[in-house]
Amino acid sequence: SYELTQPPSVSVSPGQTVSISCSGDRLEDQFVYWYQQKPGQSPLLVIRQNNERPSGIPERISGSKSGNTATLTISGTQAMDEADYYCQAWDRSTAVFGGGTKLIVL
Amino acid sequence: QVQLQESGSGLVRPSQTLSLTCAVSGGSISGGGFSWNWIRQSPGKGLEWIGYVYDSGRTHYNPSLKSRVTISEDRAKNQFSLKLNSVTAADTAVYYCARVSITLVWGVITHRDAFDIWGRGTMVTVSS
Repeated sequence: SYELTQPPSVSVSPGQTVSISCSGDRLEDQFVYWYQQKPGQSPLLVIRQNNERPSGIPERISGSKSGNTATLTISGTQAMDEADYYCQAWDRSTAVFGGGTKLIVL
Repeated sequence: QVQLQESGSGLVRPSQTLSLTCAVSGGSISGGGFSWNWIRQSPGKGLEWIGYVYDSGRTHYNPSLKSRVTISEDRAKNQFSLKLNSVTAADTAVYYCARVSITLVWGVITHRDAFDIWGRGTMVTVSS
């Protein structure tokens, strides 16, 4: 079955820039979506179609894709950005999520 | 704005059927242009997509769960439902319902967008 691979965790100091990767064999031909999930909350869409920010998502959160790897970047990271982040793509008719990355703000 | 709310039994016995409902408010599931999805998250784990219903009851399921899953819609009540049979402890999870915008051309989905609206989730425990 199709898999999206993310690092289990990344850490960053407040104010710095951090990137979270998501790789998949067919990602080049797929839109990538990113979700933020804080403890006890539902996931929140933060990036759609590779690099579009939904209304209300701060500009410091951005997305990009190159080949089969997508990247979520948070600039000027704040303590409130500490959360789990999941990438997602549609593989034909099936939604596939990455395993998630825990962002730790030191 | 559209809101989703899950409800159902929080405790299910092994081998029985898990049944959940997602009530949609602020919008109609009959309006078209959306698929209505179920996603689950086992304790401390990642997200697993279960399946969706769209276009007057058409469905698509995760191949790994397909043999045990039924998703249906009730347009009169503006809600959709999940049934998962023959449950085991591995089905213990928080279950979310979520909406996805879709593009239909002659009844065929040509584009699926993001899970843009989620319910708050409901915890289901499988235990005797």
